[in-house]
Amino acid sequence: KAGVTQTPRYLIKTRGQQVTLSCSPISGHRSVSWYQQTPGQGLQFLFEYFSETQRNKGNFPGRFSGRQFSNSRSEMNVSTLELGDSALYLCASSLRGTSGASYNEQFFGPGTRLTVL
Amino acid sequence: QKEVEQDPGPLSVPEGAIVSLNCTYSNSAFQYFMWYRQYSRKGPELLMYTYSSGNKEDGRFTAQVDKSSKYISLFIRDSQPSDSATYLCAMSGWGDTNAGKSTFGDGTTLTVKP
Repeated sequence: KAGVTQTPRYLIKTRGQQVTLSCSPISGHRSVSWYQQTPGQGLQFLFEYFSETQRNKGNFPGRFSGRQFSNSRSEMNVSTLELGDSALYLCASSLRGTSGASYNEQFFGPGTRLTVL
Repeated sequence: QKEVEQDPGPLSVPEGAIVSLNCTYSNSAFQYFMWYRQYSRKGPELLMYTYSSGNKEDGRFTAQVDKSSKYISLFIRDSQPSDSATYLCAMSGWGDTNAGKSTFGDGTTLTVKP
């Protein structure tokens, strides 16, 4: 079974530009979460989508947005890029996304390395 | 103050050593406790998860959770050079309000020297 794929793997942008990152979850997974990883702040939750609906959101400004398509593929967009947006953006998929009586494992993709100049 | 604090490291140990990695947390709503391993230029990979207080063993790895102290640990026995990576603790709560969200520690970089 193919893992989570993210495109592109590397991206260089300049301040003020916008960027769109793509994530294809594992087949059958309906939940997609996005995380930002930086040396200073570690791994931080951005948002989660399930059945094309955003169910949960982290503490990031409105410049960060996302969406999910009917095939569960997801995109995230960052507008008006700032230097501090340079990071590894990770996508994780899981069957359901919620944790209740049984644990719902998240599988991570390799990430997109975004550099803002 | 962060909800999850992880011993920062880095750690450097000789091959065969026992490694102890530790995290503390402040949010009592956390119900699941995970340990991930992340190699350079890769995404995190789940090693183990635990739900209740106590120990869980998987091969050379043992995860320990003490909910009363809000403290979790990962022990690696007979460490190997291939264990060299960054180890991340993570925690999550129940239900849709916590949908798809894990809260991570900052990671501990481990180097196992042959």
